[in-house]
Amino acid sequence: DQQVKQNSPSLSVQEGRISILNCDYTNSMFDYFLWYKKYPAEGPTFLISISSIKDKNEDGRFTVFLNKSAKHLSLHIVPSQPGDSAVYFCAASEELEQGGSEKLVFGKGTKLTVNP
Amino acid sequence: GAGVSQTPSNKVTEKGKYVELRCDPISGHTALYWYRQSLGQGPEFLIYFQGTGAADDSGLPNDRFFAVRPEGSVSTLKIQRTERGDSAVYLCASSLLAGGYNEQFFGPGTRLTVL
Repeated sequence: DQQVKQNSPSLSVQEGRISILNCDYTNSMFDYFLWYKKYPAEGPTFLISISSIKDKNEDGRFTVFLNKSAKHLSLHIVPSQPGDSAVYFCAASEELEQGGSEKLVFGKGTKLTVNP
Repeated sequence: GAGVSQTPSNKVTEKGKYVELRCDPISGHTALYWYRQSLGQGPEFLIYFQGTGAADDSGLPNDRFFAVRPEGSVSTLKIQRTERGDSAVYLCASSLLAGGYNEQFFGPGTRLTVL
């Protein structure tokens, strides 16, 4: 049973418009959420994160929103650029004692294509 | 500085053979993770090292899989009697162990194909 779900396998947007990627989770013990970006033949690279005590975190063109009651988070990219085309993974981590495993639970990913 | 490196980048083997996959973490990173990404899936956790010891191996699928990190730096993931279902990209990540959440930095992965 998947604890982190990305229900849209792909998304296509025009350059300059907003991209919205969605993610749902089931485990209420998750306390940290992250978005990773992955290009072919490369490892995932960290993009942005949010703690469960916040509802929004912004970094340049990227904003992550968290709705704890709905167990839902989303990543907004605005304006979208062709270089943003990649697979985006939503991931979550459980609160653990310091030094403990911060293993990530990933969704299946959403392939974003930004058309020029 | 250098990121996480993994060797080999690709490994093709036959069913039943033994393979070793290597991970060189970022210098100074105490925590090291192995994940496995099968086709069409997100990465799935395998094992976590804090220093030299495996602090969490709950993700290893069975006893054919084993990992070591003898000196607290380089780690080797070992798979015995490989099966076709082991074919996947094996990702390694490392992080500091500090207060708050510690960002995991991923290597490029090793693509394992079992024929």
